[in-house]
Parts: sequence; structure tokens; C-alpha cells
Amino acid sequence: NAGVTQTPKFQVLKTGQSMTLQCAQDMNHEYMSWYRQDPGMGLRLIHYSVGAGITDQGEVPNGYNVSRSTTEDFPLRLLSAAPSQTSVYFCASSYTWASGTDEQFFGPGTRLTVL
Amino acid sequence: TQLLEQSPQFLSIQEGENLTVYCNSSSVFSSLQWYRQEPGEGPVLLVTVVTGGEVKKLKRLTFQFGDARKDSSLHITAAQPGDTGLYLCAGLPFWDTGNQFYFGTGTSLTVIP
Repeated sequence: NAGVTQTPKFQVLKTGQSMTLQCAQDMNHEYMSWYRQDPGMGLRLIHYSVGAGITDQGEVPNGYNVSRSTTEDFPLRLLSAAPSQTSVYFCASSYTWASGTDEQFFGPGTRLTVL
Repeated sequence: TQLLEQSPQFLSIQEGENLTVYCNSSSVFSSLQWYRQEPGEGPVLLVTVVTGGEVKKLKRLTFQFGDARKDSSLHITAAQPGDTGLYLCAGLPFWDTGNQFYFGTGTSLTVIP
């Protein structure tokens, strides 16, 4: 199993550009999520999905869109990049979310810089 | 203001020393997890605690969930350079009817050989 994969690993954008961060998992997990990590703030949830076709907002959703057309893929779209979106982005998945105790498996992250 | 505050934010100790990291909140959590993250990688789960007062041990690491389920601690005995990393607590608050896990602010640990 490859686990959770993310592409690209690094990206530099100019203000106003759009892009999609890719995330895929091969563990047949129902729950997938996107976090951003900024210094001194831990990880903050952007969007999450409890299954194909179902998505919801997390703590910091503004400026981001997601969709979940398959169990495996959960792309994150930046609509119009802003310098405040400079961060490290992590995708994660877990088998279910029924109890809130399932282990979340994280991808290696995408380091995004917006100029 | 973060829902889960961790202290200290940074910690640098000599190999062989003991240390404790704290994770505190004013909210009650149904479960709480501890993750470790190494540079350039995603976090990896260390432990999950679900019962107030619960203590779990993982080799030299001891995790405790507070009786009131508002706080947790991680104690490392005889720290080794391999323990170096960012330690994150994460919890599911009782009041959140969705499926949102909240992460703490993190503690960056450096163990000097």
C-alpha cells in the first residue's frame, strides 16, 4: 500500500492564481481531511469528507474548495491564492469516523508559497 | 485562541533527561490523541485515550488523560535523540456534533546527544 499520497510536494504561486492540491489514499478509508500547518498553530482543519459525495467545512474553509467523487481521491482547490495561504498542507484519512478514535494517516505534505 | 494549548512550545534537553509536555483546554473531550511529527513528514499517531484518568504507556512514553477530560500530559523518561520531533495533541470535543478533530499548538522537542 502507498498509504496517503500528495502532489505536488512544493509549489510557488503568484497572488490570484488558482491550483489544485492532489490527495489519494489506497486504504479504502471513508474519512478524508485537509489541514494546514502554520508555525505555533498546530494543524487546522480546512475541509473534510465522511464518504464519496459528502464534504463539509472545517475550522478554516475560506478560500478553499473540495470535492469527493471517489473514495480514493480528495483534491483541494485554491480559488484565488493569497499570501495568507502560504502554509504546509496535509491530507489525512482514517477508516471511519464513527467513534472519533480512529487513527488518521497523514500524507507527506505540500509546501505552498504564495508571492 | 486555540482550543488546545500545549506547553512548553519549545523544549531542548540533554539525552537521558526526563520531560513532560502538557495539553490543556477549557472544553471537555470525548477522546484525545497524541501524534509525533518529524521534519518534512506528516504526523504519526502515538496513542489514543478515551477514559478520564486513563494512563497508557508506550515504552518510555507515558500518556495521561485528565479526570475531567479537559487535559492530557505526555511524559518521556530518559529521552533519546530519536525522540526529537514535534508532539501534537488532538481531540474530539463533546460539543462538536460534526466530525472535526482539533489539534493543539504543538511542542517542539530537541534531545541533544
